[in-house]
Amino acid sequence: SAVISQKPSRDICQRGTSLTIQCQVDSQVTMMFWYRQQPGQSLTLIATANQGSEATYESGFVIDKFPISRPNLTFSTLTVSNLSPEDSSIYLCSVDGTGLGRGYTFGSGTRLTVV
Amino acid sequence: DAKTTQPTSMDCAEGRAANLPCNHSTISGNEYVYWYRQIHSQGPQYIIHGLKNNETNEMASLIITEDRKSSTLILPHATLRDTAVYYCIVRVANNYGQNFVFGPGTRLSVLP
Repeated sequence: SAVISQKPSRDICQRGTSLTIQCQVDSQVTMMFWYRQQPGQSLTLIATANQGSEATYESGFVIDKFPISRPNLTFSTLTVSNLSPEDSSIYLCSVDGTGLGRGYTFGSGTRLTVV
Repeated sequence: DAKTTQPTSMDCAEGRAANLPCNHSTISGNEYVYWYRQIHSQGPQYIIHGLKNNETNEMASLIITEDRKSSTLILPHATLRDTAVYYCIVRVANNYGQNFVFGPGTRLSVLP
């Protein structure tokens, strides 16, 4: 199955700043997904990133707040902009293409704390 | 995707079998049952999936009822490292344009 490297693993940021999270996959994948997991909650999909096209955002998430890049089939970034304490969460990327119908592989996540 | 219902939490003694139930009464004929788990501070990890037949791999067994409206994930000999949140998800397999929708899951605590 695909191996995902997600960076940074954690960060503490000042409110009003931005954080860019990187997701690198060891194989080419068609779709990449970005999730948010707020403290004590389950995962919520932010957007789907398809190489060569604009990301598709879920209800409640907008491009100005969560811009996404997908320059090639192995890499994507998620930026969380204009940070506020409510953005403190774990952000995870996920990819398809693991084969065998196993579903998706997830990165280890980025734990963001906004102070 | 069909919705699932799981107990909020469960305890299991170390070395005993952990049986985690999931109800998915509105599952469609082409939807599989997937199980993932999330150990604290890590990303979700695939465990097993199945359509209608029982499945077993190195991690767990999946028992799906004949009417497919419910299933049970079995960890045959639970260890402390199996303490995690377990998610039951139903969706069409190999539908690469479709994300996984996570519910609240079951928090399994394996006790020494």
